[in-house]
Formats: sequence, C-alpha cells, structure tokens
Amino acid sequence: DTAVSQTPKYLVTQMGNDKSIKCEQNLGHDTMYWYKQDSKKFLKIMFSYNNKELIINETVPNRFSPKSPDKAHLNLHINSLELGDSAVYFCASSQDRDSYYEQYFGPGTRLTVT
Amino acid sequence: DQQVKQNSPSLSVQEGRISILNCDYTNSMFDYFLWYKKYPAEGPTFLISISSIKDKNEDGRFTVFLNKSAKHLSLHIVPSQPGDSAVYFCAAVSEYSGAGSYQLTFGKGTKLSVIP
Repeated sequence: DTAVSQTPKYLVTQMGNDKSIKCEQNLGHDTMYWYKQDSKKFLKIMFSYNNKELIINETVPNRFSPKSPDKAHLNLHINSLELGDSAVYFCASSQDRDSYYEQYFGPGTRLTVT
Repeated sequence: DQQVKQNSPSLSVQEGRISILNCDYTNSMFDYFLWYKKYPAEGPTFLISISSIKDKNEDGRFTVFLNKSAKHLSLHIVPSQPGDSAVYFCAAVSEYSGAGSYQLTFGKGTKLSVIP
C-alpha cells in the first residue's frame, strides 16, 4: 500500500511539449512538496502546498505550474518542455507544515526531454 | 552556491565496521539538520535528525554529531550492515522567506557500500 505515489515513473518527451506528473499521498498529510534532482544530483525544493495553499514557491520558471485539487494530490504541469528540464522529480508529503523534518517521498519520476 | 556539501561521493566499508559520513554547511541560519537514506528507484526516507542546540543524537545504530563552530555534522553507523548500502543525503532546515514555512536544502549525497 504505497504511501506517496507518482505517475508516470518514466516520461520521455520532445522539446516544446506539455506534460503533467501526478502525485497522490494516502497518509492524510496536510503538506505536499515537489523537488527536482538534476544531473548534478542536487535535490532542490520547487513548491510546497499546505491544505491546497501554496506556501513555498522557489525560483522556478513560469512554465512549471503546480496544482492541488485536494489535500491528497499535488500535480505538476510543465509547459513548453526544454532540454534542461530533464531530471528526476520527487513528490513528498509531511504531516503538516511544521513537520518539515520528516517528509515522505514518492519513488520519483524520471523525465527525459529530447 | 552549495550551502550543504557532502564532499565524498562514495564510501566503502566492511560489514561490522563503523561508517562515517560527513557533511559541511555554510549558512549559519540553519538550525536543524537531517539525514535521509535513498535506495535505487525509491524516494529518500528520513533517517535521523538533530537540532542545533544539541551536539549528538542517537537512534539505535545511527548517531549524528553536530559541531556548530566548524559547521560540520557527521553520521555514524555502527555496526555497518549490507542493508545500509544506499545513498545518504544530508539536509539542513531554514525558514522560507520568513513566512512560517520551512524548507530543506540537501547535499549531493554519499553512496555507501557495505561489503559483506
């Protein structure tokens, strides 16, 4: 019974396309996150939502738009994909915004832009 | 700029011996530190944490040490087991833009291989 799930696990697409990555957590958590792990292996925060409200919005191109239809879901939509968007994207959740120290991560989505 | 640095990309240790993973940070505003463990094709999992008001925190075989003056922390695993083979990420916590939210800044990770 997966706690934090992401779909798809792998995504290969061409430059200029629009794609979405879905994330769902069944832990009853209030806070969800998106991270990007680039080719240099750094895991960097992109966005965070608490009860469907955006609370962290790091310097990320406008082509990236998170959407939280409910507390259990945080999807990531990317417009006009570029080569530099190739990375592994991790979704995570925590009990609430104060439980940032214990985040539960999904398995990651490897995005390859050709 | 790398605010959290893990300068050893990999480490090999014999089973039963001690594994020591190191992490350095530059931002003196960090006040809480964590270690995450990651297996291939899985997301990171929380392992252990330490507040800046402490210098040591222990949980079973895992101990984290913090040296604030040196801006250095380390994770000790004793005894090391083959199942400990994974990538270990050091992370530091800071407040996000004074908004009452907190964010994690991760290092690049150290790949630990425990040899049976």
